[in-house]
Amino acid sequence: KNEVEQSPQNLTAQEGEFITINCSYSVGISALHWLQQHPGGGIVSLFMLSSGKKKHGRLIATINIQEKHSSLHITASHPRDSAVYICADGGGADGLTFGKGTHLIIQP
Amino acid sequence: NAGVTQTPKFRILKIGQSMTLQCAQDMNHNYMYWYRQDPGMGLKLIYYSVGAGITDKGEVPNGYNVSRSTTEDFPLRLELAAPSQTSVYFCASSYSIGPPWKDYGYTFGSGTRLTVV
Repeated sequence: KNEVEQSPQNLTAQEGEFITINCSYSVGISALHWLQQHPGGGIVSLFMLSSGKKKHGRLIATINIQEKHSSLHITASHPRDSAVYICADGGGADGLTFGKGTHLIIQP
Repeated sequence: NAGVTQTPKFRILKIGQSMTLQCAQDMNHNYMYWYRQDPGMGLKLIYYSVGAGITDKGEVPNGYNVSRSTTEDFPLRLELAAPSQTSVYFCASSYSIGPPWKDYGYTFGSGTRLTVV
């Protein structure tokens, strides 16, 4: 069974800092997803990637298939980036395997 | 707006009661999922469906049932509610699986917060 581990579990940073959240998985994957969940809110898909790097605005996601590792970076962080960031492994019809999430707080 | 619609948003049930969580998507996605999210835990898959008339169990199916009579709708039925079913439930849909990879992502509903007392 694939396991998805995230670190750190909690992260507090100052506005403007560069943020990195890490994700490791135990089995070779077909796709790696990064998701965002605001407190009390729904879940939004940020990225799906199977190789290399993707960028959307201030968010960058990278993946190293050989090392079974992915990172989510936030540049010029802002308080509105405060949320839970979740990585998940999947691409098959039988759904995603989720990490427990990283609680990010950006202080002004 | 296109997306996944879940109802209700909140519900309190008494032990032993039953209810149906509704989920509908208007994106013509063939794959649909029900997850539950418990504090400090990753989301767990309850049931999934690869198309109308086809459903299968996920990791935590006990105490739940689903049906998929149309592409759009995927309701989740709770029979004989128990306190262990207190959770936040998310419905999700996706379109494509497998190579070649496309930026389809997953679309999630806004969640149903269920409390069983």
